[in-house]
Amino acid sequence: KAGVTQTPRYLIKTRGQQVTLSCSPISGHRSVSWYQQTPGQGLQFLFEYFSETQRNKGNFPGRFSGRQFSNSRSEMNVSTLELGDSALYLCASSYRVSTDTQYFGPGTRLTVL
Amino acid sequence: ILNVEQSPQSLHVQEGDSTNFTCSFPSSNFYALHWYRWETAKSPEALFVMTLNGDEKKKGRISATLNTKEGYSYLYIKGSQPEDSATYLCAACNNAGNMLTFGGGTRLMVKP
Repeated sequence: KAGVTQTPRYLIKTRGQQVTLSCSPISGHRSVSWYQQTPGQGLQFLFEYFSETQRNKGNFPGRFSGRQFSNSRSEMNVSTLELGDSALYLCASSYRVSTDTQYFGPGTRLTVL
Repeated sequence: ILNVEQSPQSLHVQEGDSTNFTCSFPSSNFYALHWYRWETAKSPEALFVMTLNGDEKKKGRISATLNTKEGYSYLYIKGSQPEDSATYLCAACNNAGNMLTFGGGTRLMVKP
C-alpha cells in the first residue's frame, strides 16, 4: 500500500504571497488532518477533513484554509504569508481520527522570506 | 483544544538503560490516547493507540500504560538502544473524536 504523499517537499515564498500544499492519503482513508510544526513547538492541529467536510479546525487565523476532494486528496492554502508561517506542514490520514493509527506524510517545509 | 503535557522535555540515557516518560491529559471526556515516535528526517510513526483505563500495550522493548481516571500514560523503553533516539509524542482525543491534540514531546537520546 502506498504511503501518504505530500507535495511539494520544499517551498520558498516571500511575505504576502500565497501557497497551496497538497496531501494524498493512503487509499481507503477518508480522514485527513493537517498539522504545523515550528521550532520549539509541538505539532499544532490545523484542521481535519472527512468525506470532503471540515469537521474541526485548530486555533489558526482565517488565512489558513483547506479542502478535500472526492478522492480524499486534500489541499491546504495559506494566503498573505507571514514570516511566522515558516514551518514544517504535515498531513496525516486514517480511517478515523479517534481510535485509528494516523499515518503521516513526509511533510512540506515552507520557508517565508 | 485539550491541554496535553509531556515530561521530561528531553532525556539522555546510556545504551542498555531502561527509561520511561509521562504524558498527562484531561481525564474528562477522554476518548483515546496515541503514542508516536518521530525520528529526525522521518515522519512520525505510530506506536500505540489506547482507549481503555488500564490498557497496556507492548511492541518489542517498548510498552505503554494508560490511566484515564487520573489522566496520564507512561511509555517505557527497556534496554535502550541508540536506534531508540527520537522524539516521542503523545496525543489525546476527546469524545468529539475528530482531532488529536499533541503534547510537546520527549526527546530521547541514547548514547552508545
